[in-house]
Amino acid sequence: EVQLVQSGAEVKEPGESLRISCKGSGYTFTSYWISWVRQMPGKGLEWMGKIDPSDSYINYSPSFEGHVTISIDKSISTVYLQWSGLKASDTAMYYCARRSRALTGYGAFDIWGQGTMVTVSS
Amino acid sequence: DIQMTQSPSTLSASVGDRVTITCRASQSISSWLAWYQQKPGKAPKLLIYKASTLESGVPSRFSGSGSGTEVTLTISSLQPDDFATYYCQQYNSYPWTFGQGTEVEIK
Repeated sequence: EVQLVQSGAEVKEPGESLRISCKGSGYTFTSYWISWVRQMPGKGLEWMGKIDPSDSYINYSPSFEGHVTISIDKSISTVYLQWSGLKASDTAMYYCARRSRALTGYGAFDIWGQGTMVTVSS
Repeated sequence: DIQMTQSPSTLSASVGDRVTITCRASQSISSWLAWYQQKPGKAPKLLIYKASTLESGVPSRFSGSGSGTEVTLTISSLQPDDFATYYCQQYNSYPWTFGQGTEVEIK
């Protein structure tokens, strides 16, 4: 079964660091870009950035660049999203999502992780 | 950034109704657009990509059309399982962007 499995919910204080993970299985991990998508409580979806596992090239949304870091460990088919100084406004559900297997769906997401809820509060 | 504006934001409909959701882009996105369905507490589900191509396993009552700056999602006969929030997403240019969502609720 093709799936993305994310790490569990996190509760952190402002200023703390955090890394959440997304592990792919059931497919050739290096063949499909992985994106991160944020959903703040009661709000819509926001694309944060993507990584190409074949060469580790990353595209960030300007809205998130400099505040988060996307990284990868190909040896364990895992992509990470990291913060070095969390803010209360980072409280959200974070999804990883795989690009579609269809060539013309290259920017669409056909497989999603279950989401990781990050709560930042003092 | 390309801004994606969905209308309406909320739609009240009954089972069996034909429903249309429109997504307008601030500049041309050609046909590089996807539609997703999201239910409360769940991850989004891909319905359509390249504006009109139905994702495998998605019921044929869902269809997409349009290109350029206006695309639409149509549900030909609304079913109980279709009450959810729908998002469009452009992948014509970075940063990829989503519409604000359309909630389809029971009338």
